[in-house]
Amino acid sequence: GNSVTQMEGPVTLSEEAFLTINCTYTATGYPSLFWYVQYPGEGLQLLLKATKADDKGSNKGFEATYRKETTSFHLEKGSVQVSDSAVYFCALRRGSARQLTFGSGTQLTVLP
Amino acid sequence: EAGVTQFPSHSVIEKGQTVTLRCDPISGHDNLYWYRRVMGKEIKFLLHFVKESKQDESGMPNNRFLAERTGGTYSTLKVQPAELEDSGVYFCASSQGSEVDYGYTFGSGTRLTVV
Repeated sequence: GNSVTQMEGPVTLSEEAFLTINCTYTATGYPSLFWYVQYPGEGLQLLLKATKADDKGSNKGFEATYRKETTSFHLEKGSVQVSDSAVYFCALRRGSARQLTFGSGTQLTVLP
Repeated sequence: EAGVTQFPSHSVIEKGQTVTLRCDPISGHDNLYWYRRVMGKEIKFLLHFVKESKQDESGMPNNRFLAERTGGTYSTLKVQPAELEDSGVYFCASSQGSEVDYGYTFGSGTRLTVV
């Protein structure tokens, strides 16, 4: 079946540090890949997505590249801010299915 | 435009009691989804409505869970009787048409604690 594995948290960084949150997936075919973010007290929000191999999704300074050969979709940001503190979820959608398969989430705390 | 609204935001109940969670999707969104996150683990799909019909309920854990969407508007998720392992955060999401690759709109969730 489909599955998503992401690095366990919590992750604590200082402001302006470089961020990487690893995400790998297992799925047949060519799933669409997503990163969602949940800020405190809010619902999940789509952060970025990629729908085919070698696509790069980007938003708010975050980037992730769909790597078919390594089945990965790692999230990166060059300089994190305190406001980036949140829980980040990697997810996939396979084929015509509407449901998403999520990873376990990574709590990020950015200290000033 | 109002977002997806869920209530209550928190619920604490005793084992064996009944709890009903409610989700109000964005007006006009035909697709409504329920997910839950248990014990800080991955968010898991429960079921999907298209209007008032259950399109996919493959993620419902057992028959103690009952979801309804009368009239194709708001949805309820009832847990009866609740067990300790049902504790977690229950998320609702909605979407219109085939925009799933642009992301659903999620509610902020209901945190259920069964003691």
